[in-house]
Amino acid sequence: DIQMTQSPSSLSASVGDRVTITCRASQSIDTYLNWYQQKPGKAPSLLIYAASSLQSGVPSRFSGSGSGTDFTLTISRLQPEDFASYYCQQSYNSPLSFGGGTKVEIK
Amino acid sequence: QVQLQESGPGLVKPSETLSLTCIVSGASVRSYYWSWIRQPPGKGLEWIGYMFYSGSTDYNPSLKSRATISVDMSKNRVSLKLTSVTAADTAVYYCAGAGGVVTPLHSWGQGTLLAVSS
Repeated sequence: DIQMTQSPSSLSASVGDRVTITCRASQSIDTYLNWYQQKPGKAPSLLIYAASSLQSGVPSRFSGSGSGTDFTLTISRLQPEDFASYYCQQSYNSPLSFGGGTKVEIK
Repeated sequence: QVQLQESGPGLVKPSETLSLTCIVSGASVRSYYWSWIRQPPGKGLEWIGYMFYSGSTDYNPSLKSRATISVDMSKNRVSLKLTSVTAADTAVYYCAGAGGVVTPLHSWGQGTLLAVSS
């Protein structure tokens, strides 16, 4: 099974900050890496797919990069509605697996 | 736009079988691969398995063959059965749709909370 490791597990940031979250796979997954945002009490929603493709309707301040085993999610200028948890997920092979999540909190 | 609505009993006793349903609207259940994912309170996400209407299925080995996903084309819905439940199965259960086996989960239901307790 492929293990997905996210860091940090939580971070505090201010509105307008640039935020970077990293995700590492235990083996190469090419670019079969997706990012989801989850707000409290809500279902996850797809932000980025195939490592760097922005899902329709997602603001352009979100971006993703990486391939192989190392990936990043960047929020260029943090907005109040971006305070949430973020999960990476590999769809390279079964079983599908998620990172442990990163909670972005208000500083 | 695909909309998913999960439902379930809310509470089941240990050793019983849980049954959850996901009603699909805005698309045919034949259109996508349907996964179930769960999230224990305050924890991360765990993929349970998927099914395609053709019968193709795959499950997370961590469930030790306790999970069965089915698709009802006449009612346009997806179901999950999980046998021999324990307190460790207490979680919010989500259904989600994907375009293929290796594609992202692009549509999610709002989730249904399932508690296991005597």
